[in-house]
Amino acid sequence: QKEVEQNSGPLSVPEGAIASLNCTYSDRGSQSFFWYRQYSGKSPELIMSIYSNGDKEDGRFTAQLNKASQYVSLLIRDSQPSDSATYLCAANFGNEKLTFGTGTRLTIIP
Amino acid sequence: SAVISQKPSRDICQRGTSLTIQCQVDSQVTMMFWYRQQPGQSLTLIATANQGSEATYESGFVIDKFPISRPNLTFSTLTVSNMSPEDSSIYLCSGKTDSSTDTQYFGPGTRLTVL
Repeated sequence: QKEVEQNSGPLSVPEGAIASLNCTYSDRGSQSFFWYRQYSGKSPELIMSIYSNGDKEDGRFTAQLNKASQYVSLLIRDSQPSDSATYLCAANFGNEKLTFGTGTRLTIIP
Repeated sequence: SAVISQKPSRDICQRGTSLTIQCQVDSQVTMMFWYRQQPGQSLTLIATANQGSEATYESGFVIDKFPISRPNLTFSTLTVSNMSPEDSSIYLCSGKTDSSTDTQYFGPGTRLTVL
């Protein structure tokens, strides 16, 4: 079965520090990966997509993909209290559908 | 991106009844999906809504329980039939706007409570 795995947390990070969120996936053939942010009581909001090995930066967010290790991560620099949310990792296993991980709950401590 | 709306935003229903959830997208999308998110859990795909034909259901979900319609490229409905308290959940629709990427955008969700 094709799976996406995340540490459920909670992960607590001081304000201003770097938050690092990790995700592994089971299918080496996966081509596309996504990070969504979900605030409590809200729907998932797309933060980043990444398709190629290496880093992709967007403002304070950096996604990192290592296909050989089947590993994708999200770094949040200069963490803010507004970054406190659940972060969902998702992968496409080649069938136009997304498989989601269980999510990591992140708390930024002022 | 796409702006997706859902109606109703929430509802409280009695067991044995049915509820139809509507999903409207502000632009044409190539694919639409329905997910369920149970309290404290991640998203589980129920089905892919196919325009003009029967939906494609994931393992564990059946058409009799979750009938889905998609009459055009911007609208879909999900019905939760013969509800039980175990159906209490958030139901989310999503759309994929670009056939060259796998990015999905989500509606705000429908919070369903079954008594």
